[in-house]
Amino acid sequence: EAQVTQNPRYLITVTGKKLTVTCSQNMNHEYMSWYRQDPGLGLRQIYYSMNVEVTDKGDVPEGYKVSRKEKRNFPLILESPSPNQTSLYFCASSLYGAQPLNTEAFFGQGTRLTVV
Amino acid sequence: GENVEQHPSTLSVQEGDSAVIKCTYSDSASNYFPWYKQELGKRPQLIIDIRSNVGEKKDQRIAVTLNKTAKHFSLHITETQPEDSAVYFCAAPSAGGTSYGKLTFGQGTILTVHP
Repeated sequence: EAQVTQNPRYLITVTGKKLTVTCSQNMNHEYMSWYRQDPGLGLRQIYYSMNVEVTDKGDVPEGYKVSRKEKRNFPLILESPSPNQTSLYFCASSLYGAQPLNTEAFFGQGTRLTVV
Repeated sequence: GENVEQHPSTLSVQEGDSAVIKCTYSDSASNYFPWYKQELGKRPQLIIDIRSNVGEKKDQRIAVTLNKTAKHFSLHITETQPEDSAVYFCAAPSAGGTSYGKLTFGQGTILTVHP
């Protein structure tokens, strides 16, 4: 089954304790990205990657890191989480064919992160 | 980079009425405009999209229109049903410059359809 898988689904952590949220897709998609969703602010892009070893900042990259060592995986790293990073996080992937960015984004099931 | 504005933020209609949600964008090079539906507690899913070489696209009760000159696109839902209640997001990619590849979503519209 074609899917984007995030783990964990729920996470409560303390300020300053490094954490990683994993994201994996099995559709051979080139484009992957991370979003955070906060009430009234919609989906804001954190980082995106157009292919292996290529990553770029989205609109809200501060406090986050990513890596794209393999096509299927795109982990999100919070080196020193703070309470303002409490949010719902989504990973997504797109085919990214010959025409840039004009393909459907498939979302993971989401990770609810609470930083206390 | 791209700036996407979505209105209204909330929309309440009676079952059977039509609903219209509008988005404006800033990057004139953007060429793809999707709409996503997010039901409560679930992930966003694509419901319809339009590319810049067409002005309208329809799929049963939903349609999207695009006005490239005015840089806005709209989602139209006819004969609304309670199961249409959800949050709807528009999006547009940055197609040029240093923001190439970035995807910007609107702020979302909470649609409530009353039986």
